[in-house]
Amino acid sequence: KQEVTQIPAALSVPEGENLVLNCSFTDSAIYNLQWFRQDPGKGLTSLLLIQSSQREQTSGRLNASLDKSSGRSTLYIAASQPGDSATYLCLLGQNFVFGPGTRLSVLP
Amino acid sequence: DAGVIQSPRHEVTEMGQEVTLRCKPISGHNSLFWYRQTMMRGLELLIYFNNNVPIDDSGMPEDRFSAKMPNASFSTLKIQPSEPRDSAVYFCASSLANYNEQFFGPGTRLTVL
Repeated sequence: KQEVTQIPAALSVPEGENLVLNCSFTDSAIYNLQWFRQDPGKGLTSLLLIQSSQREQTSGRLNASLDKSSGRSTLYIAASQPGDSATYLCLLGQNFVFGPGTRLSVLP
Repeated sequence: DAGVIQSPRHEVTEMGQEVTLRCKPISGHNSLFWYRQTMMRGLELLIYFNNNVPIDDSGMPEDRFSAKMPNASFSTLKIQPSEPRDSAVYFCASSLANYNEQFFGPGTRLTVL
């Protein structure tokens, strides 16, 4: 059974810092991995999708990497802003399992 | 594009009542997913359809839950009878195909008293 963890569970950083969020999984037989953000009380917004054959995807200040062999994906956020404050979730495109999320607070 | 549409946005009902949640996927998307989010268990897949056919319903918690997709533009998730432990936010998502990017609706917040 696929198990997904996200560490840390919560993170607080000052504005302007670069940061890395982690998503780890136990079964490397995935088709893709998708990163989302969720604002409090809101739905999920898709950020990036990485196919299993890819190693990286970039969108603006966001860069996601995927290493299937080590069962790990990272989401890199450059020059963080208070508007980046949200919960970040990863979704494994295999049996569609979500990680528990990392709650990010960027302080002005 | 209007995105994934869900209704109602909020539902408050009493234990034992039937609840029907509705979803309209993005036009042209062939896969539709129902998820449930709770504080205790996070986001969990309940069921997903491909070309209107249920592919995996192993996440449906009990026989009280049922889902249908009568056509490519509409799906329902029904709970009968509802129980307080069904209180959660229910999300619908759609994608072009099974393993493409998923787009989520705003969710339905269900409270069962």
